[in-house]
Formats: sequence, C-alpha cells, structure tokens
Amino acid sequence: QVQLQESGPGLVKPSETLSLTCTVFGGSMNSYYWSWIRQPAGKGLEWVGRIYSSGTTNYRSSLKSRVTMSVDTSKNQFSLKLNSVTAADTAVYYCAREVLNAFDFWGQGTLVTVSS
Amino acid sequence: DIQMTQSPSSLSASVGDRVTITCRASQSIRSYLNWYQHKPGKAPKLLIYAASSLQSGVSSRFSGSGSGTDFTLTISSLQPEDFATYYCQQSYSIPHTFGQGTKVEIK
Repeated sequence: QVQLQESGPGLVKPSETLSLTCTVFGGSMNSYYWSWIRQPAGKGLEWVGRIYSSGTTNYRSSLKSRVTMSVDTSKNQFSLKLNSVTAADTAVYYCAREVLNAFDFWGQGTLVTVSS
Repeated sequence: DIQMTQSPSSLSASVGDRVTITCRASQSIRSYLNWYQHKPGKAPKLLIYAASSLQSGVSSRFSGSGSGTDFTLTISSLQPEDFATYYCQQSYSIPHTFGQGTKVEIK
C-alpha cells in the first residue's frame, strides 16, 4: 500500500518561503505524476501543481511565478517551495499521486500558517 | 481554467436514503471527472474515476455517471460512515480544478 507523508514547518513568516517535502512509502515514484493540493480553512481544494518522476513540472498559473517543485526519486521524495508568501497562502497542504488522471493516494495533510 | 460547479452545497439525509450530487463543468471535459470523499482531518479518498469507474476497494453503493459537462455521484443507500464532504475534480486540462464541495450531513 502506497503512503504519502508531508513534512515541513507549520509556521512561515510573510514574504518568506514555504518549503514542504512529501515522502512516498511502499512504492516507486517512477512513471507517475506527483501533485501538491491545498485547502484554505473553510474553503475547497486547490491544485497547486505537479511534477513527473522525470522532473517535468506543471504549475497553477496564478502561482507560477512563486512555485518551484523538485523530485528526488532516490529518496522517494518530492518537494514544494512557495516564495513571497502571504496570509492567503495559509492552508492545509496535501501531496498526492496521480494515476489514470486521478489522485489515488494522498497524504494526511499539513497545516501551514503564514504569520509574523 | 475550467470551472466546476457542484450542487447542492450541502444536504441533510438519513441513513438508508438515496443521495445524488451533481457537478457541472464550464466546458466539455469528456469523461475526465473524478469524485472524492473528504472527512475532517483525513486524506481525501478517491471514489470514482473517469466519471463512472469505481476505485478499487470502494463500496458499490457509490456510482458515477455523466459525460461532457454534466455528472452525477449517487450513493444508493447512505451509511453512517458516508457523512462527509464530496468533491468533483476535472483532469481534462491543466490546472486540475475541483468543485466547491457538497457536505452531506445527518438529518
């Protein structure tokens, strides 16, 4: 059974960089897309972007100038960096695997709060 | 971006009820439509992919239908563990977009 686990700071100051890592357990990262999805409090799910195991990326256009994703298949990890954060970036961040155009495995989510 | 609109936003139902949630896309997405169940503090769970295919391990009381712009998730007989928020999501084009969610509450 594949499991995903997000890790990273739960508190980030405004204008700084949010950094999260997702570790994949129980399966290979090869030949899959790996996504980040977030959910602000009281709101719906928002896709942030994805990275293929080869390193190819797609980002949400509204975040494209601030987002960088990377993958390290040798460690079974992929990462998200979001710079110049504001309070609007406060959310629960999920990582997920995409297969057959659907997200079949998700992490439990990690709350990131942007506050001074 | 393709906009996904779910209705209703919330509903109250009793155990054993048949429940139907609809999702409409702002343009045709063929059958690139998925449904998820989300409970507070837990990871979302894939129920239906490609509009009507049941994800492995998911109860057969869940079913999906539709193509183009209009889709439906049906729970044939609501069980206590089904009280949750349900989201549709299109994977026809980037960015993947989700509906705003339908919260299913106990009547």
